[in-house]
Amino acid sequence: NAGVTQTPKFQVLKTGQSMTLQCAQDMNHNSMYWYRQDPGMGLRLIYYSASEGTTDKGEVPNGYNVSRLNKREFSLRLESAAPSQTSVYFCASSETVASGNTGELFFGEGSRLTVL
Amino acid sequence: TQLLEQSPQFLSIQEGENLTVYCNSSSVFSSLQWYRQEPGEGPVLLVTVVTGGEVKKLKRLTFQFGDARKDSSLHITAAQPGDTGLYLCAGVTWNNAGNMLTFGGGTRLMVKP
Repeated sequence: NAGVTQTPKFQVLKTGQSMTLQCAQDMNHNSMYWYRQDPGMGLRLIYYSASEGTTDKGEVPNGYNVSRLNKREFSLRLESAAPSQTSVYFCASSETVASGNTGELFFGEGSRLTVL
Repeated sequence: TQLLEQSPQFLSIQEGENLTVYCNSSSVFSSLQWYRQEPGEGPVLLVTVVTGGEVKKLKRLTFQFGDARKDSSLHITAAQPGDTGLYLCAGVTWNNAGNMLTFGGGTRLMVKP
């Protein structure tokens, strides 16, 4: 039961380098999300995608871009990494509200990124 | 921006004690969820409360949604070391893009044997 799979799990970057975090879900969910988690600040939404082909900004989108490659995959790209982007990144997915569900998010295990 | 204030931020107690975690907001939510997160893993849903005043029990955990659907509490009876973890509340709102969650800052609970 894979659920939501994120890669890589750990990454160290130098300031100015670029990288892409990959996320895939096998639950046939329409909605996918990228969050960052910092101590004492809970989870903050970076970008989300309600369906294949659509993406929207969340609370903290600056410095990030996303691609909803297909229904399964949602990637997060840092074009020019900064130390302020040191964080743990979580990808999540959920069914659409129209399905009458509770809106539960299913999370991956996280990607720990350090920017020096 | 909707904000969820969660308290306390840290809690260290002895096995067998009771505790309550609070989640407060000035905004009304469609529903409220509680997640638990263990080190190195993503959050996992514990419960969703939907109706104002609703109370749900999950073994030794009792969740309550405020009458005005702006606040919630999590009460743990006779805490055990296995309850150790990060507890997150999340307010849920729905729009055309789907269900949007606003998370509180989390309560890190340590239960000592």
